[in-house]
Amino acid sequence: DVKVTQSSRYLVKRTGEKVFLECVQDMDHENMFWYRQDPGLGLRLIYFSYDVKMKEKGDIPEGYSVSREKKERFSLILESASTNQTSMYLCASRTGGPYEQYFGPGTRLTVT
Amino acid sequence: ILNVEQSPQSLHVQEGDSTNFTCSFPSSNFYALHWYRWETAKSPEALFVMTLNGDEKKKGRISATLNTKEGYSYLYIKGSQPEDSATYLCANFGNEKLTFGTGTRLTIIP
Repeated sequence: DVKVTQSSRYLVKRTGEKVFLECVQDMDHENMFWYRQDPGLGLRLIYFSYDVKMKEKGDIPEGYSVSREKKERFSLILESASTNQTSMYLCASRTGGPYEQYFGPGTRLTVT
Repeated sequence: ILNVEQSPQSLHVQEGDSTNFTCSFPSSNFYALHWYRWETAKSPEALFVMTLNGDEKKKGRISATLNTKEGYSYLYIKGSQPEDSATYLCANFGNEKLTFGTGTRLTIIP
C-alpha cells in the first residue's frame, strides 16, 4: 500500500524558532511536493523536488527552504518561524508525468 | 481563465439526492486535470486523472467529464450518501506540478 508519512500531526512552535517538517514516501517516486492549506485559499505549492538534491520554488517559497538528500525524504524548513506561517502543511509525492499524487496526513503547525 | 476556479464553494445536499459541481481551468496548453476528495482528518485522495477532451470517468456513484476546448470539468455524485461529505479539489497539471482550485465543500444532510 502506497504511503506518505509526515513526522508530526500537530506542532506548536514559538516565533523565531527554526522548524523542520519531515516527509517520507515509500513508493520510489521522483517528485515530491510541499503545500500549505489555508481557509479560502486552497492548496498552495511552496517547493517541489524532481530528484535528489534538486528543488524548485513553488508559488509561495518566501520564508521556507527545503532539503532532499535521499529520494524518499523531503524536508521543509522554516528558518525563523513567524505567526503568518501558522497553517496546515501537506507533503505529496508522485512519479514523473501527469499521474495521481499521493498525500501525507498533514502537519498542523501553530506559531505563537 | 488564468487560475483554477471551482464552484460552488460549498454545498449542502440531502441524502439520496444527486449533485454536481464545476471546475474551470485555462484551456490553452492543457495537459491533464485531476480530481481529489479530501475528507476531514484524512489525506486528499485521487479520484480521477483526465487527459482527453470529451473524456468521462466513473468510480461507483461518482463520475467526471472533461471539456478541454472550453476549459471546464464537471464532477457528478449520484444518490449522495453521508460518506460523500468532503471537500472536492480539482487541479490543473502543467510543468510537472498541480495548480489547485479552492475546492467545493460538500455536506450531505441525513
